[in-house]
Amino acid sequence: EAGVAQSPRYKIIEKRQSVAFWCNPISGHATLYWYQQILGQGPKLLIQFQNNGVVDDSQLPKDRFSAERLKGVDSTLKIQPAKLEDSAVYLCASSRWYLGSSGNTIYFGEGSWLTVV
Amino acid sequence: DAKTTQPTSMDCAEGRAANLPCNHSTISGNEYVYWYRQIHSQGPQYIIHGLKNNETNEMASLIITEDRKSSTLILPHATLRDTAVYYCIVLSGGSNYKLTFGKGTLLTVNP
Repeated sequence: EAGVAQSPRYKIIEKRQSVAFWCNPISGHATLYWYQQILGQGPKLLIQFQNNGVVDDSQLPKDRFSAERLKGVDSTLKIQPAKLEDSAVYLCASSRWYLGSSGNTIYFGEGSWLTVV
Repeated sequence: DAKTTQPTSMDCAEGRAANLPCNHSTISGNEYVYWYRQIHSQGPQYIIHGLKNNETNEMASLIITEDRKSSTLILPHATLRDTAVYYCIVLSGGSNYKLTFGKGTLLTVNP
């Protein structure tokens, strides 16, 4: 079973520029998550999709971050304009359905490393 | 959300068992305990999860106390590749389950 795919792996941009990250979840997984992980901290949930609908985006800075999941499969996370404090690893994850049920869990990609200079 | 408390760091000798504790005294009856780990420069990796009973898989064992207020993750024979940050997470319930990560425990396995 292929894992969660993310691209690009690394990105360096100047502040006020824009950047987009792409994620392809594990086949058949209805739930998709984007997490932000700042160096030295645990991952923080930005947005959660169930199929192509948003379930939770309470911690997404909506003035500069946007995300979409067209057709309920791939997803894109965009930052525009970027700030220095956006330097972090952006992790995409997916799961079959709601967590907690027997055998269900969430799988993470390798992450996209963003440096804003 | 039920919060967890973990030691900041731990050391373990290669080949010995690594026992990682986690306190979750405010856990609710229907909340699961999940363990993930994150090796440097990689995404978090699922290890194991449980509700009430002890659980074991090919990676580790999870021991949950009877009152469910704490748990221990056991890596039976730690190797150098097990050096990572280990996260104990109580799964927040409701209609949209999500994992909320703390700072975790940095486990260093020494040769």
